[in-house]
Amino acid sequence: SQQGEEDPQALSIQEGENATMNCSYKTSINNLQWYRQNSGRGLVHLILIRSNEREKHSGRLRVTLDTSKKSSSLLITASRAADTASYFCATDANSWGKLQFGAGTQVVVTP
Amino acid sequence: DAMVIQNPRYQVTQFGKPVTLSCSQTLNHNVMYWYQQKSSQAPKLLFHYYDKDFNNEADTPDNFQSRRPNTSFCFLDIRSPGLGDAAMYLCATSPRTAQETQYFGPGTRLLVL
Repeated sequence: SQQGEEDPQALSIQEGENATMNCSYKTSINNLQWYRQNSGRGLVHLILIRSNEREKHSGRLRVTLDTSKKSSSLLITASRAADTASYFCATDANSWGKLQFGAGTQVVVTP
Repeated sequence: DAMVIQNPRYQVTQFGKPVTLSCSQTLNHNVMYWYQQKSSQAPKLLFHYYDKDFNNEADTPDNFQSRRPNTSFCFLDIRSPGLGDAAMYLCATSPRTAQETQYFGPGTRLLVL
């Protein structure tokens, strides 16, 4: 069963706007990872945040983690048309690193 | 550049006709994974290898098998594809298992006629 649930399922914004998506999960985790998938392609790793971290940044990406609420958010600032993709959260909750993916948020950025 | 390569990118097979998908990596990673991803769904782990140790997910159908002849290559064999096996198949690698980023190939889209 899926560990992560993502919200919203789809998001449509204009270039320059910020995009925020959320991920909730059910059990304790070692880390939470965000991946991007362009249509018909493989997944690309964006950020890994460990359970003892609360916030991480990478370029225009900001990820927060609230382990008390079992939730994470991904913020993309100043979005571009090239950010159009599906974004997946994945939780690493066991001893050997199995990732459980959420169903993803489909983001469309229009020029 | 070090990478994960999947061939072919598109594969068409007939119902019941065995098919093999391949994955190779130049990252020299210990762990290789196979995922199945159906349209608008999350990737679902089928199995993984830690070096030569094979680990099957409990709900992976027997119809799916895998081989890893060496560190660089891993194959997914579907013995008798059904219409429900049409999906994107993703190969991924990681240096070790716990708390590591996974590096994905571009995927193979399988169509079953």
